[in-house]
Formats: sequence, C-alpha cells, structure tokens
Amino acid sequence: NAGVTQTPKFRVLKTGQSMTLLCAQDMNHEYMYWYRQDPGMGLRLIHYSVGEGTTAKGEVPDGYNVSRLKKQNFLLGLESAAPSQTSVYFCASRGLAFPDTQYFGPGTRLTVL
Amino acid sequence: SQQGEEDPQALSIQEGENATMNCSYKTSINNLQWYRQNSGRGLVHLILIRSNEREKHSGRLRVTLDTSKKSSSLLITASRAADTASYFCATDARDSGTYKYIFGTGTRLKVLA
Repeated sequence: NAGVTQTPKFRVLKTGQSMTLLCAQDMNHEYMYWYRQDPGMGLRLIHYSVGEGTTAKGEVPDGYNVSRLKKQNFLLGLESAAPSQTSVYFCASRGLAFPDTQYFGPGTRLTVL
Repeated sequence: SQQGEEDPQALSIQEGENATMNCSYKTSINNLQWYRQNSGRGLVHLILIRSNEREKHSGRLRVTLDTSKKSSSLLITASRAADTASYFCATDARDSGTYKYIFGTGTRLKVLA
C-alpha cells in the first residue's frame, strides 16, 4: 500500500504559467482534499471531493480548479500561477466511516516566480 | 473562519520533560483530532477524541477535551528528541452532510537531547 502519493514533489513556475498537481490514493477512499500550507499557518482547504465526479470549494478556492474523474485520483490545477500561490500543497483522503482520520500525502512544494 | 488556534506557537523542552499544548476552537464540534508534522513531511494522525469524551490516552499521549470552553490539550509525557515536530489540532465542520476538517495554526515543539 502506497497510501497517498503526490506528483511532483517540487516545482518552480513563472507567473502566468499553468500546471497540474496529481494526487493518488490506493485505499479506496471516497473523500479527497487539497490543502495549502503557508509559513506560520495551519492547513487551509482549497477544494475537496466526496466521490468520483464531484468537487466542492473549500476555504481558499480562488485561482485553483480540481477534477475527480477517477475515484483514486484528485487533480489540482493552476491555470495562471501567481506568486501568492507559492506554498506547500498537501493532498489527503479519508473513508466514509464517521468519525475517520485523514491520510496525507508527502506534499508538493511550489514556487511561483 | 472556524480555524482553531494552538497555544503556545512554539515550545522548547528538555528530553524527558512533559510537553503540553492547547487548542481552542470556535464552533460546536463532533470530534477533534491531533496530528503531527515532521519537518518537510505530510501530517500524521495521532489521536481522535469525540465530543462526548473528556479524556483519551494513547501511549505517551494524553488528550483532554472541554467542550464548554471549546478547548483541548495534548500532553506528551517523557518527551524524546524524536517528538520534535509541529502539532496541529483539527476539528470537524459539518457541511451539507459531508465533513471537512479545520486545522489550527500549530505548535512547534523542539525537544532538546
């Protein structure tokens, strides 16, 4: 079991470029989440999904889009990157049981110049 | 924002001492969880306490919950250098039948050998 994996681990973008972050989980979890973590702050929820084909906005969704075409994958897209999106991005997943814990990926460190 | 707050923001102790960190939150919850994050890594679940529980133990960890004060504490006994990490509390937030977790800003714990 790989758990939750994220690709890539590091990325540097120029302002205005686009990219997609991939999150994959092999635990057959229904719920998946994208967070960003900035220095001195906790995790802030960007978008989440409660099942294949569904997505919903979190606390800080502006500038990001997501897709959940397959149950095991959750993609986070930046259409036109801005320096304010420099952050560490974490993906997480959890099952349907309540309450349940979230399992986190190792993170993607993104720098936008 | 329903974001919780941990206190203190940073804590430095000697190996063998106990470490106590606190979490305050703003709204009613169903459960509260504590996570640990080692530098440069994703978050790892430590312990979950339900709203109808007042205290819970797991190894060297002791968590208390006071729903009347909307606060929780995490005690790590006989700390070790390997406990050096950031610790976050997370509270659930019911949203249209799904569940999101709101993370606090974290306590950075440093255990000196």
